This record gives sequence, C-alpha cells and structure tokens, in this order.
Amino acid sequence: DIVMTQSPDSLAVSLGERATINCKSSQSVLHTSNKKNYLSWYQQKPGQPPKLLISWASTRESGVPDRFSGSGSGTDFTLTISSLQAEDVAVYSCQQYYSYPQTFGQGTKVEIK
Amino acid sequence: EVQLVESGGGLVQPGGSLRLSCAASGFTFSNYWMSWVRQAPGKGLEWLANIKEDGSDKNYMDSVKGRFTISRDNAKTSLYLQMNSLRAEDTAVYYCARVDRSSGDSGYRSLDLWGQGTLVTVSS
Repeated sequence: DIVMTQSPDSLAVSLGERATINCKSSQSVLHTSNKKNYLSWYQQKPGQPPKLLISWASTRESGVPDRFSGSGSGTDFTLTISSLQAEDVAVYSCQQYYSYPQTFGQGTKVEIK
Repeated sequence: EVQLVESGGGLVQPGGSLRLSCAASGFTFSNYWMSWVRQAPGKGLEWLANIKEDGSDKNYMDSVKGRFTISRDNAKTSLYLQMNSLRAEDTAVYYCARVDRSSGDSGYRSLDLWGQGTLVTVSS
C-alpha cells in the first residue's frame, strides 16, 4: 500500500497569511503514460463531509477559490492557501488514487492564530 | 439537486452485520464508479472500496476484503455496503462518494461528490 504522510499535523496561521501543507507518498504517484500525478486534496469542515478541492495535484475544482493551489510531482506535494480566510478553518487531507487501496494522509488541521 | 444520502448505520454488536445504503439523485448514477470511505472518531479518512458503473469490477482495502461487500442497483440508483463480522475498529462514519469522471471513465480518479455519512458503532 502507498502510505501518505502529511506535515504538519496542525498549523495556526494569521488571517491573510499563507498556509502551506505538505504531503509525501511512499512511492511515486506520477503515471508515466500520461504524466499525471494521481493526487487530490480535500477540505473537511467540522461536522461536514470532505469536499474535493484539487485533483491531479494541481487542478482546482470548479468554484474553489484561487487562493487554494496545489503543486508537486512524484512523491512530494504541497497545498497552499495564499491568504487564509476565516472560512478556511478545516482539516485538509491528501489522497492518492494511483493504486488500490486509494490511501489518504492523516489530515492537517488549519486554525486561525 | 445532485446528492448522495447514506442510511443504515447504527449500533451493532461485535461479530454482527449491517447493510449500508446510499441513495443517489440529480445525476446519472449508472455512469459513475462509486466508492465507500470511512472515518473513525477523531481520525483520518480511510478508503474502503469502489465499484465500476455496471458492477463488473470491485476493489477493496485488505482489512475489509472478505468481510465487506460493495454492490449497486442502477435501477434504484443506490449503492450498498454489506458489512459482516464487524469489529470494534470498524466503528466510524461511513461515507459514499462518487468517482469523478471529468477526465474519463476509470476507478482511478478523485472523489468529487460525498454524502453526509452514516455512523456505525460496533460495541457490546
């Protein structure tokens, strides 16, 4: 199984400041045939189901604010919130869908400092 | 409205069985792979299984293989998870989720629509 490890487990950021979350996979999730990284990011607010933010490591879903961006390739990925807003308080999780089982990271809790 | 609604959760004794249902609406259910994901209290997300549009292909996480069975009824636009030999560690909120098909038809895609979840508690 591919193990997904996120860092940090939690972080507190001031409103308007940048938040950076890292996700590392135990093996590459880059598909050589199509050059796509099989990596997504989800946001989960308290009491709610997860919401898909980013697919293919860097493709934002429709309606997701552009302050959210994804980057990285192979085994190392980053989710960046460029200017943290109050409504961004949530747990963020990465997921690989390169191989079964399609594993998630443990989640990173983002709070306001 | 495009939505997924899970049901069937509850309290069950260790070794017992439970069948979860997920009712889909607002989209052509038969065109999508579907998945089950769970989240134990205070823990991260755990992918469990997925199923192809016509039910001909199913994939499972090892720890539930042989105990859980994913199935679907496209006529009823419903997804199911039959859970047998339940253990305390199966206690979780169980979500059904739709597999994104905007980049083509495959089980290897993100999960673009989630239900609200149903709580399963395994305890004596």
